[in-house]
Amino acid sequence: DTEVTQTPKHLVMGMTNKKSLKCEQHMGHRAMYWYKQKAKKPPELMFVYSYEKLSINESVPSRFSPECPNSSLLNLHLHALQPEDSALYLCASSQVRLAGGDEQFFGPGTRLTVL
Amino acid sequence: RKEVEQDPGPFNVPEGATVAFNCTYSNSASQSFFWYRQDCRKEPKLLMSVYSSGNEDGRFTAQLNRASQYISLLIRDSKLSDSATYLCVVAGADSWGKLQFGAGTQVVVTP
Repeated sequence: DTEVTQTPKHLVMGMTNKKSLKCEQHMGHRAMYWYKQKAKKPPELMFVYSYEKLSINESVPSRFSPECPNSSLLNLHLHALQPEDSALYLCASSQVRLAGGDEQFFGPGTRLTVL
Repeated sequence: RKEVEQDPGPFNVPEGATVAFNCTYSNSASQSFFWYRQDCRKEPKLLMSVYSSGNEDGRFTAQLNRASQYISLLIRDSKLSDSATYLCVVAGADSWGKLQFGAGTQVVVTP
């Protein structure tokens, strides 16, 4: 059983909608991540939060807005998305321990379809 | 040149056989190394971290060669459930927490 949970599992939205993806981890980790994954491609990093502060934004368009309300929760607010934003959105968490980066544990993802 | 390169496969492996594959990374400053497995339409799951001395977890053995900048994964006594895409992941070359993913090696274990 995964200790990183994500809701919803599936989401279909129109280009004018506003929706949010939610992620929660119960491992006491202090870093959390959002990734986007297209079919047959590896995950692409979007955002990194470390100690609830945004530390990496991989030049993600502003129609994606992350939020970290506390050390266990991570949200991704979506607004005015494009059909090419359809993908699997993965949340991950990790400790902040190793010099280069710790092993990350992924949630099951939200499969997003933008019509 | 990609930061992490893997043979995409597929590696078709008879059940019970051994399969091994490598991954190369370009940045010598990389500090942490991992193998993940990903099943179709599922999330990546950590298989093992890779240490300088090499490590083994049951039927899985990982090796790191810093001089030649490659990581290997060997699977012994392959099971049907080992069929998956194996992602080589490298961390620490640019900024903390930024993992570089290889494109994955597909393994198909056949009866």
